[in-house]
Amino acid sequence: GEDVEQSLFLSVREGDSSVINCTYTDSSSTYLYWYKQEPGAGLQLLTYIFSNMDMKQDQRLTVLLNKKDKHLSLRIADTQTGDSAIYFCAEFGNQFYFGTGTSLTVIP
Amino acid sequence: NAGVTQTPKFQVLKTGQSMTLQCAQDMNHNSMYWYRQDPGMGLRLIYYSASEGTTDKGEVPNGYNVSRLNKREFSLRLESAAPSQTSVYFCASSEAGLAGYLSAYNEQFFGPGTRLTVL
Repeated sequence: GEDVEQSLFLSVREGDSSVINCTYTDSSSTYLYWYKQEPGAGLQLLTYIFSNMDMKQDQRLTVLLNKKDKHLSLRIADTQTGDSAIYFCAEFGNQFYFGTGTSLTVIP
Repeated sequence: NAGVTQTPKFQVLKTGQSMTLQCAQDMNHNSMYWYRQDPGMGLRLIYYSASEGTTDKGEVPNGYNVSRLNKREFSLRLESAAPSQTSVYFCASSEAGLAGYLSAYNEQFFGPGTRLTVL
């Protein structure tokens, strides 16, 4: 399978910005996604970006895509305690591949 | 509108026992998926069904079988459970199949998960 890599943990203070990084492997991926998983729940789609875009902004969320380096990032502005969760990036080429997930802890 | 539902929520099995995990969606989606989630490994696709009547292997299909009973329901069966199958299992559905609609984003909707322990 494809290796979609993320760092496992991130800790930020409430009000700061969080940046979660992901590297993917399939250059033919058409869509890249960020999902959020809260404790004891399934994944929910946060945002996505089409592969011909460099950036997408959606309220507090900014997605940056560097196709040359196969690097995807998610920036959460003004991080709140409710943002504490596991964040997964995923790519879709001919199949879905999910990253290992980054556990974000927001310190009040 | 319940979305994607899974039963059971928790299950403990002994090695060699069999069981079926049930999944249903009420969004009239064509595609359904089974994933397992293990610590530090993210989600791995076990099987998927791009449309009613079809099933295909994903990344980690060994030890599992699936049935797409109808458009709503997609079950996952463990014939002879092994400790290596201890995991959290998620069912998901999406409107478009994997091989189609590449011009449209393909959001997957996930169920709440089944936590399975095999002793």
